[in-house]
Amino acid sequence: QSALTQPASVSGSPGQSITISCTGTRSDVGGYNYVSWYQQHPGKAPKLLIYDVTNRPSGVSFRFSGSKSGNTASLTISGLQADDEADYYCASYTSSSSRVFGGGTKLTVL
Amino acid sequence: QMQLQESGPGLVKPLQTLALTCTVSGGSISSDSYWSWIRQPAGKGLEWIGRIHDSGSTNYNPSLRSRVTISVDTSKNQFYLKLSSLTAADTAIYYCARGLGGARFDPWGQGTLVTVSS
Repeated sequence: QSALTQPASVSGSPGQSITISCTGTRSDVGGYNYVSWYQQHPGKAPKLLIYDVTNRPSGVSFRFSGSKSGNTASLTISGLQADDEADYYCASYTSSSSRVFGGGTKLTVL
Repeated sequence: QMQLQESGPGLVKPLQTLALTCTVSGGSISSDSYWSWIRQPAGKGLEWIGRIHDSGSTNYNPSLRSRVTISVDTSKNQFYLKLSSLTAADTAIYYCARGLGGARFDPWGQGTLVTVSS
């Protein structure tokens, strides 16, 4: 299975909004509403931000939101803060009952 | 609050078999959840290895299926990873995580670094 496609890097200034895309196929992102997003700070384990495309776990800021259109899912972060600087990964369920992650996107807060 | 902790050797020789343990605390492993292993080579992205239900049913990443075995011991609240025929490409941080369906993993262990080298 091939990794989902994410931009290598994105950047934004404090207070702005950014969007990270995650492109797959009909066999993963496009076929199921089972896309999750994770935030990973250096040296730390990933943290769940969004699951099932649009749902936020308890305790995750409302500034993080998810959506999907066709084979592409997106994570939007509004009101950028310095602590949002991290790596972000998408993940999806697949038609072979497997799971696949994206290659990761490094977010820089300018 | 549920916590997961990985343990195992930090250094393994090529062609040998890696054995890791994930200990679950603050909750029961027999909670109708799936328990996954995920790895991350240094400076690279995440790769899902596979998962097990407390009933013993498993799913594996097709690219690793021939080398992976995941098992569970509910009496110890632990689950395990065995990865055989190791090469340098298996050098990575290995995480265990609870799966809640779909691609939802939460919480994660802190990760353990495994280096494959002679």
